[in-house]
Amino acid sequence: QVQLQESGPGLVKPSGTLSLTCDVSGGSISSTDWWSWVRQPPGKGLEWIGEIYHSGSTNYNPSLKSRVTVSVDKSKNQFSLKLSSVTAADTAVYYCARRSQLVASWFDPWGQGTLVTVSS
Amino acid sequence: EIVLTQSPATLSLSPGERATLSCRASQSVSNYLAWYQQRPGQAPRLLIYDASYRAPGIPARFSGSGSGTDFTLTISSLEPEDFAVYYCQHRISWPLTFGGGTKVEIK
Repeated sequence: QVQLQESGPGLVKPSGTLSLTCDVSGGSISSTDWWSWVRQPPGKGLEWIGEIYHSGSTNYNPSLKSRVTVSVDKSKNQFSLKLSSVTAADTAVYYCARRSQLVASWFDPWGQGTLVTVSS
Repeated sequence: EIVLTQSPATLSLSPGERATLSCRASQSVSNYLAWYQQRPGQAPRLLIYDASYRAPGIPARFSGSGSGTDFTLTISSLEPEDFAVYYCQHRISWPLTFGGGTKVEIK
């Protein structure tokens, strides 16, 4: 079955750019699914960041749209997140997730998540 | 943006009891609503999709109901592993949003 694994720096300086990658295994990123990023500040709820289809089509949360880029690398079967001009408010666990056609385009599965701290 | 409001924020129950969680949408989401369970230190897990369909591998004690703006997740008899935080989420329009969560804790 499909498994997702996030990777990237755990510490980013204020005003810098957060960069994460999600490796997809057990399935093709070129399937009829959307590939998403969701974040969760410590002790708080879930916030959808954005998503991409293998064709390159994207959807972003308007609250973050000016700072977010989600891209796909089909040759590596992975997709990525870049969030620019970060502040302490961007400190969160970042999850990648598939919106699976198998369950009517809901989030399944999720990666284990990676904590990114914004601090100098 | 559609706002999902979950209630109560915390539900204190004993194992074996029935749990009833609510999710209310600021406008109709038809049946485009899902429920997720998140245990401490873990990623969310899909429980219910399209308001009332159990995801593969989810026990029958979990059920969902509702349409439009009012939805309910019911756990018929709480098992020890069910004490967790539950989130609802819609997908009828962008941005996709989640409710604030209901924590089901041991009484």
